[in-house]
Amino acid sequence: DTGVSQNPRHKITKRGQNVTFRCDPISEHNRLYWYRQTLGQGPEFLTYFQNEAQLEKSRLLSDRFSAERPKGSFSTLEIQRTEQGDSAMYLCASSLGLAAWETQYFGPGTRLLVL
Amino acid sequence: RKEVEQDPGPFNVPEGATVAFNCTYSNSASQSFFWYRQDCRKEPKLLMSVYSSGNEDGRFTAQLNRASQYISLLIRDSKLSDSATYLCVVNIQAGTALIFGKGTTLSVSS
Repeated sequence: DTGVSQNPRHKITKRGQNVTFRCDPISEHNRLYWYRQTLGQGPEFLTYFQNEAQLEKSRLLSDRFSAERPKGSFSTLEIQRTEQGDSAMYLCASSLGLAAWETQYFGPGTRLLVL
Repeated sequence: RKEVEQDPGPFNVPEGATVAFNCTYSNSASQSFFWYRQDCRKEPKLLMSVYSSGNEDGRFTAQLNRASQYISLLIRDSKLSDSATYLCVVNIQAGTALIFGKGTTLSVSS
């Protein structure tokens, strides 16, 4: 499968714990995006990378959230001191990054439940 | 005001029906427009881009009215497999975040 992959697919954690999610974009895609989706809502942008550079962060990305893409390939999203309000599906998307307007391809998401 | 607004539905239609979804966006600087489809508990997938001149892909027709900041999606001859949530999406600047509406749920029944 050469699509975007995300791990884990599901995560249940207790409030206050730290969690880390991983995203592997489509090979050779330079742009990588993180979104969050809660029930009944569309996905909301969190942050994005062009290669290893983090170019934009949404105000939704509080200081408990950090994202990295150290080698310009896979990315991790860490949430520290999780809160119940962090429960959501975390979606990763990637695009080639060679043209101005490109399709973003989404991974299957990581579903987080904070108890 | 939300940046992208859609009627959440649900739209319940019989097979073979024609159904139309509408969407409005608030930022006149929006540059590109899309419809994504999302099945229950799955990721969004691009259904079609929306061009100023309007475009068609089989049973699906998308229209854009920049003056009214309005986007539409028409589905003809609905199939059971069309049951999903349809997300209206805009992009303000190339290569940056997509802005999604809440989605419109369609249920097609036999």
